Amino acid sequence: DSGVTQTPKHLITATGQRVTLRCSPRSGDLSVYWYQQSLDQGLQFLIQYYNGEERAKGNILERFSAQQFPDLHSELNLSSLELGDSALYFCASSVRTGGDGYTFGSGTRLTVV
Amino acid sequence: ILNVEQSPQSLHVQEGDSTNFTCSFPSSNFYALHWYRWETAKSPEALFVMTLNGDEKKKGRISATLNTKEGYSYLYIKGSQPEDSATYLCALYSGAGSYQLTFGKGTKLSVIP
Repeated sequence: DSGVTQTPKHLITATGQRVTLRCSPRSGDLSVYWYQQSLDQGLQFLIQYYNGEERAKGNILERFSAQQFPDLHSELNLSSLELGDSALYFCASSVRTGGDGYTFGSGTRLTVV
Repeated sequence: ILNVEQSPQSLHVQEGDSTNFTCSFPSSNFYALHWYRWETAKSPEALFVMTLNGDEKKKGRISATLNTKEGYSYLYIKGSQPEDSATYLCALYSGAGSYQLTFGKGTKLSVIP
């Protein structure tokens, strides 16, 4: 157990639907990061939150949004899902920045059918 | 956009062989380099953090070196064992207003018994 809790582990949904992925960071970590890994792609950075506020944004689609709550858990909302959104979504946490190194969650495998 | 390259993409070695692979990054954007080990169906786990030119880190049979001037890091595995089979990821932290890690696509190592 890495200390980062990510749920659900697997999700199958239809095109056009909306899903929410959840992440609880390791105790003491203030930053949460979301990454997407599609087939043949590396880990693509989506967004980072630090202590409740958005700090950095990567290649996140407008159909996707995220937030970090006062208890520091984070949710990634994916809407109007398309087949191409099928991927492994990872959450990671760190004390402050990427320079501190990440602790990863176990990932959510999203399949859009 | 930072470009972190890893080679080879995949590698098959016999048990007992030693092997190495490369991570290349833009030397002008260097603050720290992280190596992660990612076993199938698990989450990536931290191996090393490297910050200084000429750094060498070692953990058991796995070691890594860093050349920040030319922008590369090598990961070495001595006497590969089947349990070393995994994808090895490197990730660049560039600092300077960037808060997240930028990952390479990884090198997938398969050790044949």
